[in-house]
Amino acid sequence: GQSLEQPSEVTAVEGAIVQINCTYQTSGFYGLSWYQQHDGGAPTFLSYNALDGLEETGRFSSFLSRSDSYGYLLLQELQMKDSASYFCAVRLTGGFKTIFGAGTRLFVKA
Amino acid sequence: DADVTQTPRNRITKTGKRIMLECSQTKGHDRMYWYRQDPGLGLRLIYYSFDVKDINKGEISDGYSVSRQAQAKFSLSLESAIPNQTALYFCATSDYQQVTGELFFGEGSRLTVL
Repeated sequence: GQSLEQPSEVTAVEGAIVQINCTYQTSGFYGLSWYQQHDGGAPTFLSYNALDGLEETGRFSSFLSRSDSYGYLLLQELQMKDSASYFCAVRLTGGFKTIFGAGTRLFVKA
Repeated sequence: DADVTQTPRNRITKTGKRIMLECSQTKGHDRMYWYRQDPGLGLRLIYYSFDVKDINKGEISDGYSVSRQAQAKFSLSLESAIPNQTALYFCATSDYQQVTGELFFGEGSRLTVL
């Protein structure tokens, strides 16, 4: 089957750097995405990696290694507002549907 | 106004009742999805539709049905609700031309089945 594994919780200090990992098992996919969801809110798109390597968008970066079936989201200069849940997701080649990991809850402490 | 609108936002119902959750979008996207979110389980795909004549089952379609009434409208029905269908339901859309496959989510519909 298809699955994505993420840590359930991560805690970090304001101003620090945190990495949220995602390992996956899929038969084939177009790319790895990351979504952010604040409590009570809807998920919102953060980043997308179609190819191996690092993609940077402001304080956020995302990495993909297809050979290792692994990716991560890197958040720099953490702010309190970054406290949220983060989901990795893949868009499958069979059917074009997108499936999600269970999510990582990030707590940012002052 | 939100680009993806879900109604109702909250609903409490009893076991055995029929429930419909509605989703409408003004983004002009062809693709629409229904996801279910449970604590610790992330977002699980129930059904998805790539145009009005196309309906596909997702990961957890048992106990649910959908209707794509128009390009902008996609409804999710629970024919006979049961307590383990208590969850937060999200509708989402995407544009087939967008390489990233970015999903745009509605605000969610919280359903409680007693």
